[in-house]
Amino acid sequence: NAGVTQTPKFRVLKTGQSMTLLCAQDMNHEYMYWYRQDPGMGLRLIHYSVGEGTTAKGEVPDGYNVSRLKKQNFLLGLESAAPSQTSVYFCASSSRQGAIYGYTFGSGTRLTVV
Amino acid sequence: GQQLNQSPQSMFIQEGEDVSMNCTSSSIFNTWLWYKQDPGEGPVLLIALYKAGELTSNGRLTAQFGITRKDSFLNISASIPSDVGIYFCAGLNYGGSQGNLIFGKGTKLSVKP
Repeated sequence: NAGVTQTPKFRVLKTGQSMTLLCAQDMNHEYMYWYRQDPGMGLRLIHYSVGEGTTAKGEVPDGYNVSRLKKQNFLLGLESAAPSQTSVYFCASSSRQGAIYGYTFGSGTRLTVV
Repeated sequence: GQQLNQSPQSMFIQEGEDVSMNCTSSSIFNTWLWYKQDPGEGPVLLIALYKAGELTSNGRLTAQFGITRKDSFLNISASIPSDVGIYFCAGLNYGGSQGNLIFGKGTKLSVKP
């Protein structure tokens, strides 16, 4: 009963470096989401996907790219990390019936850009 | 875009006290959800509300879907130390297509020093 698994859990990057955050879900969910959480800002949607091969922009997409090549995986990429991208990143998923039953969240990736 | 105003932003609790928090919006929602986030973890769903006026309990937690469909309330009775964390409200307004959850900024519960 893994649910949503995020890797890595922690990472420190230097400004300008690139990295990919991986999200994997084993619930056969259609929809997947990437959020960032900053103190006092709540959860802000970066990108989301409503199915394999599809992605869409959320509230704060700049500086990030995503891919959904397989239904169970949703990748978040930072091409050139900036200190403003220091944050805790959460992945979530939901069924096709939708968010009315709520999202299932991973345990987060804490990213520091120095 | 749609926004949720969650209050209070933070509060201190003493064991045994009752706690109340709320979420308001200028928009109507069809679904209200309440999540709790423990330190170092992702949010976990506590209660889901689907009908205006609905009152739903989960142990010591009780949540209500406001009659106007623009607000929701969460009460915690007889708080205990493990209640500390961040509580998020989330609203959903869906029509014929999938909508995304809108999250409040959270209410942080801490223990009174």
